[in-house]
Amino acid sequence: GDSVTQMEGPVTLSEEAFLTINCTYTATGYPSLFWYVQYPGEGLQLLLKATKADDKGSNKGFEATYRKETTSFHLEKGSVQVSDSAVYFCALRGGSSASKIIFGSGTRLSIRP
Amino acid sequence: GAVVSQHPSRVICKSGTSVKIECRSLDFQATTMFWYRQFPKQSLMLMATSNEGSKATYEQGVEKDKFLINHASLTLSTLTVTSAHPEDSSFYICSASVANGQGANTGELFFGEGSRLTVL
Repeated sequence: GDSVTQMEGPVTLSEEAFLTINCTYTATGYPSLFWYVQYPGEGLQLLLKATKADDKGSNKGFEATYRKETTSFHLEKGSVQVSDSAVYFCALRGGSSASKIIFGSGTRLSIRP
Repeated sequence: GAVVSQHPSRVICKSGTSVKIECRSLDFQATTMFWYRQFPKQSLMLMATSNEGSKATYEQGVEKDKFLINHASLTLSTLTVTSAHPEDSSFYICSASVANGQGANTGELFFGEGSRLTVL
């Protein structure tokens, strides 16, 4: 079945550092890919998405490119802030899972001032 | 964006009682809603898919009689944890889909704020 694998956390960085959180997926067909963010004490929010190969999703300085050849959707940000501290979930929807959304295990990010 | 609201956000109950959690889509109609369970520091586990006007579809390993799901209208789905026990304590999250014109299976999901259940 479809699955999402993302790098284990926690990830701790200093403010203004470059961020990469790796995400790879396994799916049949052409799923849509998402990054969701969960801030402390809150529900999940969509951060960005891409619906087809080579699409780049971007929001709040974060970017991720849908790479079908490497089945990846890595999340990047050039300069992180303390306010970016949260748990980030990579997810896919479509493929063999139809309307279900499949989440990765989540990566906790902590940014030091 | 679309808003999904859950109620209550926190509930504490005694073992053996039943608890109902509501999930509402506030500004759109949701024919399909999803219920997830999130354990501490872990990912979201899909429990069931709730379809308006029909029976919910449960994931393997989720007890249907334990977690009753009702999707009575296009804006409301409820999850009832029956005869709750301490091991049912968890964070329950609902979500709903808004089709993006390319088909429902490519639309993003909007999540409720979550409901934290503590069973004593």
